[in-house]
Amino acid sequence: ILNVEQSPQSLHVQEGDSTNFTCSFPSSNFYALHWYRWETAKSPEALFVMTLNGDEKKKGRISATLNTKEGYSYLYIKGSQPEDSATYLCAFDPLDSGGYQKVTFGTGTKLQVIP
Amino acid sequence: GAVVSQHPSRVICKSGTSVKIECRSLDFQATTMFWYRQFPKQSLMLMATSNEGSKATYEQGVEKDKFLINHASLTLSTLTVTSAHPEDSSFYICSAEGGASSPLHFGNGTRLTVT
Repeated sequence: ILNVEQSPQSLHVQEGDSTNFTCSFPSSNFYALHWYRWETAKSPEALFVMTLNGDEKKKGRISATLNTKEGYSYLYIKGSQPEDSATYLCAFDPLDSGGYQKVTFGTGTKLQVIP
Repeated sequence: GAVVSQHPSRVICKSGTSVKIECRSLDFQATTMFWYRQFPKQSLMLMATSNEGSKATYEQGVEKDKFLINHASLTLSTLTVTSAHPEDSSFYICSAEGGASSPLHFGNGTRLTVT
């Protein structure tokens, strides 16, 4: 069983604040790291798929970094808005999954942005 | 693009009955789909990998006779929970494989309650 952990489990921030959370994953057998945004009653929406150590990706106010050698990724949200309220999931995609995207998910970080 | 429709979103059934959950790719062909289960406050757990035209591959600990998966076409995979019991009550969600370094495409999930 692969160990993929996210912290914190939940957090509340004020509108306009910037925030970040962490995903830790095995530092060996790495192929890709996914980030998804999951709003209640909707399907998880892809944010990033990261494959290269040191990579940094950005989508609007959201960005992510990747350190495959130490096994962690950070997700940053700048100037949080109420519509950012969601659960943020990371998923570790290993090399040895027989060519399939048999990812292991973290438990998620539930973000609530208070207006 | 890459929309996955999952139906039903909620189902309540009596113990001993079977329930079928459908996962359709609406605007693309999905050779491979995945089925997950989520227990309260836990992460999405991969149950099985569904391949069009062949038998599904089940993860360790998942009963293939309890959770029947059929992937008869490139746009439809179904999960049938047979002879459901209250312990099968859970959240089930499907995804279609996006391909190497691409994100997964998720359905909205199905909340199953067995009374």
